Amino acid sequence: AQSVSQHNHHVILSEAASLELGCNYSYGGTVNLFWYVQYPGQHLQLLLKYFSGDPLVKGIKGFEAEFIKSKFSFNLRKPSVQWSDTAEYFCAVSGNNRLAFGKGNQVVVIP
Amino acid sequence: NAGVTQTPKFQVLKTGQSMTLQCAQDMNHNSMYWYRQDPGMGLRLIYYSASEGTTDKGEVPNGYNVSRLNKREFSLRLESAAPSQTSVYFCASSPAGQYGYTFGSGTRLTVV
Repeated sequence: AQSVSQHNHHVILSEAASLELGCNYSYGGTVNLFWYVQYPGQHLQLLLKYFSGDPLVKGIKGFEAEFIKSKFSFNLRKPSVQWSDTAEYFCAVSGNNRLAFGKGNQVVVIP
Repeated sequence: NAGVTQTPKFQVLKTGQSMTLQCAQDMNHNSMYWYRQDPGMGLRLIYYSASEGTTDKGEVPNGYNVSRLNKREFSLRLESAAPSQTSVYFCASSPAGQYGYTFGSGTRLTVV
């Protein structure tokens, strides 16, 4: 079965700082990779996804992620965060007709 | 554009009571899923239905049952609620699991 590890569960940073969230996965087959965002009190929404092709994927709201196959990683980045990026971020990997999620990164952006 | 609709949004149960969480999607998706979300635990899969007429257990199925009523609807039943089932429950659907999910808005359940 697939599994996902996310590091640095709680992240606090100031507006305009850069953000990078790590995601490592394990799965024996071909994977699709996702980042979801959950704003306070809301449901999960898709931020970006990787199926194939260019390993650098751009998503909504200025986020991007890089797939490094040799490292089994799919790290999320944003060059300059805003207060509105305060949310929980989940990495997910597909396999066996379902997604496995990491435990999430709680990100707090201080104005 | 309803997407995935969950009802109810909030529920308080007493220990031992039963209830059914409803989920419906209007995107003609084949696969549907039930997850629970607890602080620090991420999302854990309870049950899923890869296609109409099939259901399978996920990571944490104990204390729950599901019914894939038709292609649109996938319900989750708690037969005898326990405080450990206090959680936020999310339903999701997908054309097939590897393409990612569309989530419902969640049900916040408290068992006292």
